[in-house]
Amino acid sequence: DAGITQSPRYKITETGRQVTLMCHQTWSHSYMFWYRQDLGHGLRLIYYSAAADITDKGEVPDGYVVSRSKTENFPLTLESATRSQTSVYFCASSRAITGTEAFFGQGTRLTVV
Amino acid sequence: QKEVEQNSGPLSVPEGAIASLNCTYSDRGSQSFFWYRQYSGKSPELIMSIYSNGDKEDGRFTAQLNKASQYVSLLIRDSQPSDSATYLCAVNTKDNDMRFGAGTRLTVKP
Repeated sequence: DAGITQSPRYKITETGRQVTLMCHQTWSHSYMFWYRQDLGHGLRLIYYSAAADITDKGEVPDGYVVSRSKTENFPLTLESATRSQTSVYFCASSRAITGTEAFFGQGTRLTVV
Repeated sequence: QKEVEQNSGPLSVPEGAIASLNCTYSDRGSQSFFWYRQYSGKSPELIMSIYSNGDKEDGRFTAQLNKASQYVSLLIRDSQPSDSATYLCAVNTKDNDMRFGAGTRLTVKP
């Protein structure tokens, strides 16, 4: 099916563990984004990518790593999870950065215990 | 100062009334502006996009943009209980990314 999918939908992990959230889109959109959503903060940009092998930091990049070896995939890795990284994570993609909307995945609810 | 600011609400209006949602942004170079709706536990979905000064209407929704005042608004006419959701303002910034406000929670009471 065409679209943008995230996996897993729910994840519980322990403090200090590495965890990777996956994002896959089938539209061949150039731009991809990772946001986290916490109560009172709305969506905060973690990292974004303009194309394969091009990534850039957003508002809250500390503690996260991204890669984009293929246009369709944009995984987000928490190198050593902390409780403050408990959040809902959304991946999004966009055909261009201006003049076009971003489409969101279903979200991943991550709990760090 | 945050790049995109919204009144977090909650905003409560009676059914059939006009709901007015406001957003200000800090980057004067921003070119694209969006309103997303997010139901509880769901992902954001696009309601309106606007790129030039003035009003843009789509059914019961009207987006208004004033670049001189760095202000974007969304009006929802004849509000329905199904419009109850959080509304997110989004702006493309000079860094070529997309930033969101904290969202305004709207409740439409029958």
